[in-house]
Amino acid sequence: QKEVEQDPGPLSVPEGAIVSLNCTYSNSAFQYFMWYRQYSRKGPELLMYTYSSGNKEDGRFTAQVDKSSKYISLFIRDSQPSDSATYLCAMSSGYSSASKIIFGSGTRLSIRP
Amino acid sequence: GAVVSQHPSWVICKSGTSVKIECRSLDFQATTMFWYRQFPKQSLMLMATSNEGSKATYEQGVEKDKFLINHASLTLSTLTVTSAHPEDSSFYICSARTPGTGSYGYTFGSGTRLTVV
Repeated sequence: QKEVEQDPGPLSVPEGAIVSLNCTYSNSAFQYFMWYRQYSRKGPELLMYTYSSGNKEDGRFTAQVDKSSKYISLFIRDSQPSDSATYLCAMSSGYSSASKIIFGSGTRLSIRP
Repeated sequence: GAVVSQHPSWVICKSGTSVKIECRSLDFQATTMFWYRQFPKQSLMLMATSNEGSKATYEQGVEKDKFLINHASLTLSTLTVTSAHPEDSSFYICSARTPGTGSYGYTFGSGTRLTVV
């Protein structure tokens, strides 16, 4: 079993729709949860991050963590064609600069104009 | 903001030759850098953790003699793919912890697409 599971998609939705992206994980030691966005042939860029359980909102993006269910989500409201990218969830158990982060496989998202 | 510069962005090499990929932290010091490999439509797989002034730590299944990592300074880490073969063709990405961002700020390089022919 992979430590982090993520549906690879592809997911195609019309512009303006609400998008829900999800990951499940098995390692209960994970405490730091992140979402990265990766455009084709580019390195990932940090989009959202949360610590432990709870919600965090930033503009059109909302990140949710449910540690009891080992489930995290990213919601995108009023989706735009520019949101088309691969979204990777990531998580880490440690705070130190040497702590590894484990990535999900990424979900390819396409927003249709 | 913090920038990690990765070069080259793409490289084509002949089978059996070696290729060096560089990652530089441009405006901060990175005592630790991480090297990832990404196959098409797959996630980033951590290959090794590079530590300034000491030996790199490799993940299980990664050949340390094939993927040589050197972290000679606080701003430069290199990955050398030795005796490359077509199965080494992949997208290689480095990252470093961005200072002042706690446990979340990892800055990634733009990646290197390696094609071995």
